[in-house]
Amino acid sequence: AQSVTQLDSQVPVFEEAPVELRCNYSSSVSVYLFWYVQYPNQGLQLLLKYLSGSTLVESINGFEAEFNKSQTSFHLRKPSVHISDTAEYFCAVTLYNQGGKLIFGQGTELSVKP
Amino acid sequence: DVKVTQSSRYLVKRTGEKVFLECVQDMDHENMFWYRQDPGLGLRLIYFSYDVKMKEKGDIPEGYSVSREKKERFSLILESASTNQTSMYLCASSLTGTLNTEAFFGQGTRLTVV
Repeated sequence: AQSVTQLDSQVPVFEEAPVELRCNYSSSVSVYLFWYVQYPNQGLQLLLKYLSGSTLVESINGFEAEFNKSQTSFHLRKPSVHISDTAEYFCAVTLYNQGGKLIFGQGTELSVKP
Repeated sequence: DVKVTQSSRYLVKRTGEKVFLECVQDMDHENMFWYRQDPGLGLRLIYFSYDVKMKEKGDIPEGYSVSREKKERFSLILESASTNQTSMYLCASSLTGTLNTEAFFGQGTRLTVV
């Protein structure tokens, strides 16, 4: 069975500081990896995904994540955060050809302070 | 843009009531999902459907049922609501294909059972 662990439930950080949100997964087969973001009182939006190819994937708003198969990790990073990045972030996995049937981590609340 | 619409943002129901949560998607997606979101637990899959009239149990189906009579609509039913079903409910949809695609989420329904 697959599982996802997000190692930090809350991450407080000051504006313009770097941040890393950690995600580890376990699976005996190949998986696809996702980061979703949930802004207050909203649904989930896809931030970025790894399906194949380059292990470093980027989002349009400056986040990036690196797939590390040997460490079974998919950590999310941003070199300089903004107040508007305050949100809850979810790491998720799914198996090949199980489109949308996601297994989620517990979520990490990122709180960016001025 | 893909749109997944949940019929209510907020609902308050009494213990023992039968509750219907409705979800409609407008992109002809085969797959539809109901997740439940609770603090510290992330999102957990209740039921999913990969075709009209087809359904499969997720990780926490007890106390819930679903209906998919039309491709665009997926309903979650709480047969007899209980206070431990107070939660945020998120509907999602996705395409089926050999190349996994992302899931698109609705805004969520925050259900309170009193």
